[in-house]
Amino acid sequence: DAGVIQSPRHEVTEMGQEVTLRCKPISGHNSLFWYRQTMMRGLELLIYFNNNVPIDDSGMPEDRFSAKMPNASFSTLKIQPSEPRDSAVYFCASSIPGTSSTDTQYFGPGTRLTVL
Amino acid sequence: AQSVTQPDIHITVSEGASLELRCNYSYGATPYLFWYVQSPGQGLQLLLKYFSGDTLVQGIKGFEAEFKRSQSSFNLRKPSVHWSDAAEYFCAVGRDFGNEKLTFGTGTRLTIIP
Repeated sequence: DAGVIQSPRHEVTEMGQEVTLRCKPISGHNSLFWYRQTMMRGLELLIYFNNNVPIDDSGMPEDRFSAKMPNASFSTLKIQPSEPRDSAVYFCASSIPGTSSTDTQYFGPGTRLTVL
Repeated sequence: AQSVTQPDIHITVSEGASLELRCNYSYGATPYLFWYVQSPGQGLQLLLKYFSGDTLVQGIKGFEAEFKRSQSSFNLRKPSVHWSDAAEYFCAVGRDFGNEKLTFGTGTRLTIIP
């Protein structure tokens, strides 16, 4: 089985540019999570979706960040305009919510974003 | 609100020695507890989880964790570490009022010395 797929794995961009990160969750998983990891703040949940609907976006840092999930197999996280402080590793994770046998979040390999 | 504390930022252990990584949580009800491991440049991999039942949970790679409600702890243990266990370990608590959010601790970096 393919795990969570993220692209690109590395992104280097200049301040002010738009950045789009992509995620394909595990087939059959109907919850999707976007996290950001930095040395200063650790692992932070940005937003999560259930059945393609955003459930909690309280972790999205500001209006420059937006996330969409147009269908069950694809999600994007967009930063526009990007700033150097957005440099981090962004992880996508997916899960099947509901019972104790599930609820495990499976993480993708991450996208390392560098904003110059 | 749920929270997790991992009091040890960095631990160094000799290969073959035993290991215990500490995790304390704050949560109003019975928590869902997780340990994840992150190798350098990789995503997070689930080691084990506790939802209910037996308080001693077995995971992958020879790890185990014990849920102690009286101490609000979920410490991770391994009787004999291998050099390949060097990584960052994250404890997480979930299920805040039906929400699926996981709250992660700040992580413990494990170094293995020969």
